[in-house]
Amino acid sequence: DVKVTQSSRYLVKRTGEKVFLECVQDMDHENMFWYRQDPGLGLRLIYFSYDVKMKEKGDIPEGYSVSREKKERFSLILESASTNQTSMYLCASNFLAEETGELFFGEGSRLTVL
Amino acid sequence: KQEVTQIPAALSVPEGENLVLNCSFTDSAIYNLQWFRQDPGKGLTSLLLIQSSQREQTSGRLNASLDKSSGRSTLYIAASQPGDSATYLCAVSPILTGGGNKLTFGTGTQLKVEL
Repeated sequence: DVKVTQSSRYLVKRTGEKVFLECVQDMDHENMFWYRQDPGLGLRLIYFSYDVKMKEKGDIPEGYSVSREKKERFSLILESASTNQTSMYLCASNFLAEETGELFFGEGSRLTVL
Repeated sequence: KQEVTQIPAALSVPEGENLVLNCSFTDSAIYNLQWFRQDPGKGLTSLLLIQSSQREQTSGRLNASLDKSSGRSTLYIAASQPGDSATYLCAVSPILTGGGNKLTFGTGTQLKVEL
């Protein structure tokens, strides 16, 4: 079975703290994505990566950065957490070619910033 | 800009009923469409993926159809069960333009199947 693992299911942080969200996939997928999900707004793409050390901004990259040093791992970084970044964060991955583009998600990381 | 709409936003049905969830998209230039299920507080689980060259896909009691020309997809659930209660989301994949495969998601239909 494909597995996308997010290291933390629940986090509580204080305003101004640096936050790392880790995601690992075991299917040798080229693409990896970070989304946030908020009630009424649906899923919004923060960043994605299609190769090691490659990254592209999604729809809402402000306040976030990412790192992809190894193919299987994609990290989301909040340099200075703010209360408006309280959200559910979802990592996903898939193959680059569209014929096998099925997207697989992790269980999500619920972040609360106080 | 692609927009994906799911109607209704919420649906409540008695157990055993057959039901249809709808998904519409504004730009028909897509490569595939995927249906997901999300349980409360959890990530998304892929249900069905319909490639651009296909018209429908089936898995167990689920059947999804795709009509690109009209910008519509439907997810048919046969003989619904309480365990089907969840939020169902559809997402469309754009024509690949080198690197990445950014999906556009609908906001989902929240389904409740009652005993």
